[in-house]
Amino acid sequence: GEDVEQSLFLSVREGDSSVINCTYTDSSSTYLYWYKQEPGAGLQLLTYIFSNMDMKQDQRLTVLLNKKDKHLSLRIADTQTGDSAIYFCAERTSGSARQLTFGSGTQLTVLP
Amino acid sequence: KAGVTQTPRYLIKTRGQQVTLSCSPISGHRSVSWYQQTPGQGLQFLFEYFSETQRNKGNFPGRFSGRQFSNSRSEMNVSTLELGDSALYLCASSSTGTDNTEAFFGQGTRLTVV
Repeated sequence: GEDVEQSLFLSVREGDSSVINCTYTDSSSTYLYWYKQEPGAGLQLLTYIFSNMDMKQDQRLTVLLNKKDKHLSLRIADTQTGDSAIYFCAERTSGSARQLTFGSGTQLTVLP
Repeated sequence: KAGVTQTPRYLIKTRGQQVTLSCSPISGHRSVSWYQQTPGQGLQFLFEYFSETQRNKGNFPGRFSGRQFSNSRSEMNVSTLELGDSALYLCASSSTGTDNTEAFFGQGTRLTVV
């Protein structure tokens, strides 16, 4: 079955890099996503990676995918206080269905 | 371009009542998915609609239902509300093609059952 796991908490100092990790179990995952959720808000799509890629960079965000180990990470460079939020990784398996399976979310706290 | 619009933002209902939530997807998007978010269970998939047809369904009881209209707007209904139905209900909008990757979420409807 599908299962996505993340560590619950991460604290970093402003200006440092943050690395949020995620593992998944479904080897048929085609796309893997990172979403951000601020208090009282919905989910904001940050970036995604296709399963045949191993890295994707988008401004301050770098996604690394190790398909062999089913490990996904999101690196945020020069982390700012505005980056404090919950970050969810999610997977989508092959087929036409748009079902996403989410991890439990990582609460990122950026300390001044 | 307007984003995904969910109404209402907040709802308080009494146990045993029913509730209807609405989601208007991004213009041109024909797929709408619904998710339930609770502190205990996290984000769980409810169902997906595409071109007025339910294409996929999660593991929820039959009290949870939905539909989609010809303009792609979707509603979900929960009947015989239980305290455990208190949650943030999120809808996601996606474009038509199966190769399309992105799902955009609305702000959610916060349902409280008392």
